[in-house]
Amino acid sequence: GAGVSQSPSNKVTEKGKDVELRCDPISGHTALYWYRQSLGQGLEFLIYFQGNSAPDKSGLPSDRFSAERTGGSVSTLTIQRTQQEDSAVYLCASSLSGLAGESSYEQYFGPGTRLTVT
Amino acid sequence: DAKTTQPPSMDCAEGRAANLPCNHSTISGNEYVYWYRQIHSQGPQYIIHGLKNNETNEMASLIITEDRKSSTLILPHATLRDTAVYYCIVRVYTGNQFYFGTGTSLTVIP
Repeated sequence: GAGVSQSPSNKVTEKGKDVELRCDPISGHTALYWYRQSLGQGLEFLIYFQGNSAPDKSGLPSDRFSAERTGGSVSTLTIQRTQQEDSAVYLCASSLSGLAGESSYEQYFGPGTRLTVT
Repeated sequence: DAKTTQPPSMDCAEGRAANLPCNHSTISGNEYVYWYRQIHSQGPQYIIHGLKNNETNEMASLIITEDRKSSTLILPHATLRDTAVYYCIVRVYTGNQFYFGTGTSLTVIP
């Protein structure tokens, strides 16, 4: 079946501009995660959505970062007034469930969006 | 806070078993150990997870010590396609966040 898709695959933007990154999770997956990965580094958690619950935003690095998930499916990560340190690969993942008491927490990752801020 | 410690890199001969260690000395009783790998320029891929019993699937085996303070991922017959960064993660059963750390870069040598 279709996996997690992300768009665009690459984005080059000028410092100070806003960008929107899109994630289409696997159909039926209620949990959605955003991570970023700087060059040569591990993954940094950004935000987590579970169903219609309020998202866990504890990983967002600043108030320039925000994300929404419409209709419990597609998610958009927005970075306002981009800075050069925002350059990274932004990865989206979904899982069947993130609810307490469930064991199926395997996350399925998309290919990522490579963001370059010049 | 990655909560895990892994060697930064390892080599393994093709066809041999690759044994990747991970220390998680502060693990709590309700925290699972997960392993993912990331092949260059791709998103991470789930491999296996466990709580306290050893686990095996079509990709790998996971050996968790009795005190649960460390674990080993075993790729029984490494191939060149297994060259990747391998991440060991601990995650609270009801938690939302995965802390990936920097992982172990495994190179399978022909």
